[in-house]
Amino acid sequence: AIQLTQFPSSLPASIGDRVSMTCRASQGINRALAWYQQKPGKAPKLLIYGASILQSGVSSRFSGSGSGTDFTLTISSLQSEDFATYYCQQFNNYPHEFTFGGGTRVEIK
Amino acid sequence: QVQLQESGPGLLRPSETLSLNCTVSGGSISDYYWTWIRQSPGKGLEWIGYIYQNGRTNYNPSLKSRVTISVDTANSHFSLKLTSVTTADTAVYYCAVGAAGTFGYWGQGTLVPVSS
Repeated sequence: AIQLTQFPSSLPASIGDRVSMTCRASQGINRALAWYQQKPGKAPKLLIYGASILQSGVSSRFSGSGSGTDFTLTISSLQSEDFATYYCQQFNNYPHEFTFGGGTRVEIK
Repeated sequence: QVQLQESGPGLLRPSETLSLNCTVSGGSISDYYWTWIRQSPGKGLEWIGYIYQNGRTNYNPSLKSRVTISVDTANSHFSLKLTSVTTADTAVYYCAVGAAGTFGYWGQGTLVPVSS
């Protein structure tokens, strides 16, 4: 099974910072990667799919890049509502399995 | 706007069967993966399994022997059964609907504690 490793696990940052986090797949997955934001007590929210396609309604300060095994989620200018945990997720076409990364928590510095 | 709502029991005892339902409303859900995902307290997300509109299922290999997902398309409702639960199955269980390998719609989640 494909494993996803996210780092760092914790990312202290300040309002206005440009922040980036990484998701690394144990084998190549082309661009079959999504990013989610989760706030405490809430369900995850889809931000990006296809590695770099912004979900409708999501702020353009979020961007994704990468292909193959290494992917990055970037927040261009951190806002207060962006303090949350971010998860990457991949879909393996065969045998049709989904995997999540362990998460990166963006916290106040 | 598609909306999902989980429903199920509260506390379970070890060895019991967890049964959860997810009601979908607000739109067509054809061509979607009807999916269950869980999150243990303070932990990350774990995909449990899905059922596709044609009835095809696939489950996380780590849970496969204990999981059944079924769907009632006429009533826009799908279900999860997890047998022989232990305290390790204590989690918030989410239903989600996805297409093209991602999950655009989620329920609010329901906490299922397992304790003796």
